[in-house]
Amino acid sequence: TQLLEQSPQFLSIQEGENLTVYCNSSSVFSSLQWYRQEPGEGPVLLVTVVTGGEVKKLKRLTFQFGDARKDSSLHITAAQPGDTGLYLCAGAGGGADGLTFGKGTHLIIQP
Amino acid sequence: NAGVTQTPKFQVLKTGQSMTLQCAQDMNHEYMSWYRQDPGMGLRLIHYSVGAGITDQGEVPNGYNVSRSTTEDFPLRLLSAAPSQTSVYFCASSRQGRAGAFFGQGTRLTVV
Repeated sequence: TQLLEQSPQFLSIQEGENLTVYCNSSSVFSSLQWYRQEPGEGPVLLVTVVTGGEVKKLKRLTFQFGDARKDSSLHITAAQPGDTGLYLCAGAGGGADGLTFGKGTHLIIQP
Repeated sequence: NAGVTQTPKFQVLKTGQSMTLQCAQDMNHEYMSWYRQDPGMGLRLIHYSVGAGITDQGEVPNGYNVSRSTTEDFPLRLLSAAPSQTSVYFCASSRQGRAGAFFGQGTRLTVV
């Protein structure tokens, strides 16, 4: 069974601080995706990374795919209250069907 | 632009009842899937389909059936509801299995 371990599980920081969320696995994935989910809603795709070492930026969010395609990180610069939510990483391929999801990081940005 | 539409949004069932969760997408995606989301467990794959007429089991398929008669629709059937099936169910679609997925708003199901 493929596993994606996300850390930290919970994170509460002040507005303006920086943070990094990690997604690690012992399996190799053909692509890795990051989603953000708000209460009562479905996950919304933020980014897909497919190449080892790839870095993608989405405004204040920076996503990186590990060189070996087993891990990824999400870095938020100058966090804002609107960044509050559940962040999920998901891996595709590597022998499993569909997407394998991590358990998520609950992020709270306090004003 | 509807995307992925799930109905109903909320449902309460008695143990042993059956029901169908509906899912429709208007993006002409070949790949569709069903997940359940439980506290502390994350999202787990129930069933998926790579195209009309083709379905396969995911990680937690027991107690659920699916069919894919059209590209647009992918209903999930609970055969005989059990309290362990209390969960939030999400349908998703994508161009292919490894591409980013679009999710519906979810169905919150309670089995009493």
